Amino acid sequence: GQNIDQPTEMTATEGAIVQINCTYQTSGFNGLFWYQQHAGEAPTFLSYNVLDGLEEKGRFSSFLSRSKGYSYLLLKELQMKDSASYLCAVMDSNYQLIWGAGTKLIIKP
Amino acid sequence: DAMVIQNPRYQVTQFGKPVTLSCSQTLNHNVMYWYQQKSSQAPKLLFHYYDKDFNNEADTPDNFQSRRPNTSFCFLDIRSPGLGDAAMYLCATSVTSGGFYEQYFGPGTRLTVT
Repeated sequence: GQNIDQPTEMTATEGAIVQINCTYQTSGFNGLFWYQQHAGEAPTFLSYNVLDGLEEKGRFSSFLSRSKGYSYLLLKELQMKDSASYLCAVMDSNYQLIWGAGTKLIIKP
Repeated sequence: DAMVIQNPRYQVTQFGKPVTLSCSQTLNHNVMYWYQQKSSQAPKLLFHYYDKDFNNEADTPDNFQSRRPNTSFCFLDIRSPGLGDAAMYLCATSVTSGGFYEQYFGPGTRLTVT
């Protein structure tokens, strides 16, 4: 079966750095997405990785290792507004997104 | 701005009373999706359309139907809502060319069943 695993919840301090991990087992691979979802709102796109390595976009970076079925999202200089759920999703061989349940990130002052 | 619009944002219906949720897009994307998302869970794909071609997920209950009368609009019909159908319903769009298939989401409709 297809499976995406990520921690249920993480806590970090404002101004710090946090890494959210995601491991996956899917039928084929056409890229990995990270989305941010604030409570009661729709997911918004953060990043896309299809090749191994690190993609940096401002305070957010995303890393992919296809051989290990592993990705992480790195958030730097955390702000209170970063409190949200972060969803990892993998596009399978049928170009369908397989979603993780999300990691709820709690930022403390 | 190009966007995905969902109406209404909040919908309350009675147990067993049919309800229709709507989605429209100005992105001119050829693919549209309906997801159901319950609290602290992953979005669950219900249906998607590649242009006019309808694709029903195997585990989507028969109680859920969808219509896409044209490129811009898509509807989700719940024929007899049960208490377990209370959830956030998300509409999303994407394109199938260019090798990058980011999905753009509407704001969602939160359905309450009483």
